[in-house]
Amino acid sequence: SAVISQKPSRDICQRGTSLTIQCQVDSQVTMMFWYRQQPGQSLTLIATANQGSEATYESGFVIDKFPISRPNLTFSTLTVSNMSPEDSSIYLCSVAGTNSNQPQHFGDGTRLSIL
Amino acid sequence: RKEVEQDPGPFNVPEGATVAFNCTYSNSASQSFFWYRQDCRKEPKLLMSVYSSGNEDGRFTAQLNRASQYISLLIRDSKLSDSATYLCVVNQGETSYDKVIFGPGTSLSVIP
Repeated sequence: SAVISQKPSRDICQRGTSLTIQCQVDSQVTMMFWYRQQPGQSLTLIATANQGSEATYESGFVIDKFPISRPNLTFSTLTVSNMSPEDSSIYLCSVAGTNSNQPQHFGDGTRLSIL
Repeated sequence: RKEVEQDPGPFNVPEGATVAFNCTYSNSASQSFFWYRQDCRKEPKLLMSVYSSGNEDGRFTAQLNRASQYISLLIRDSKLSDSATYLCVVNQGETSYDKVIFGPGTSLSVIP
């Protein structure tokens, strides 16, 4: 499976600031996703990062708060904007092929704490 | 009803025990199913896909019952290293970017 690297692995930020998380894959992948996992919760899909077009956001997530870039088939960024303590979470990128029988594989996550 | 449900546990079992987890899903059109394992403060990692005929990988056996809309994971001869949260994942679509739902997870602690 693809090797997926996320940066930063963790950060502590002040409220009101923004942080951009990077996701780099060692091979070209069609689908990249961004998830959030809040403490004690399961994963929630934020958006699907589409190469060459706008990301597709899930209900409850908006582009102004979580702008996403996908400039090529190996890289994506997620920005968490105007952060508040409620944004403290683990943010995960994942990749998958186009076939539904192919599972997603995850980067090692970014642990974000907002003071 | 939640789209994917799991018994949250925790399951506390002694080493060597057999333990089974169940997962139910609400969408009968769901296409594919997976079990992931997540260690504390780590990313989820694929444990195994679940096939209609059932499948086994070493000490792990996964089964799918489409009629009753549940999948199961059986772990035999539990090891301390099996302690983790086990996530049931259901893909409701025909492609990998259709709706993938993660269950809330079942926590397992294997005790010496």
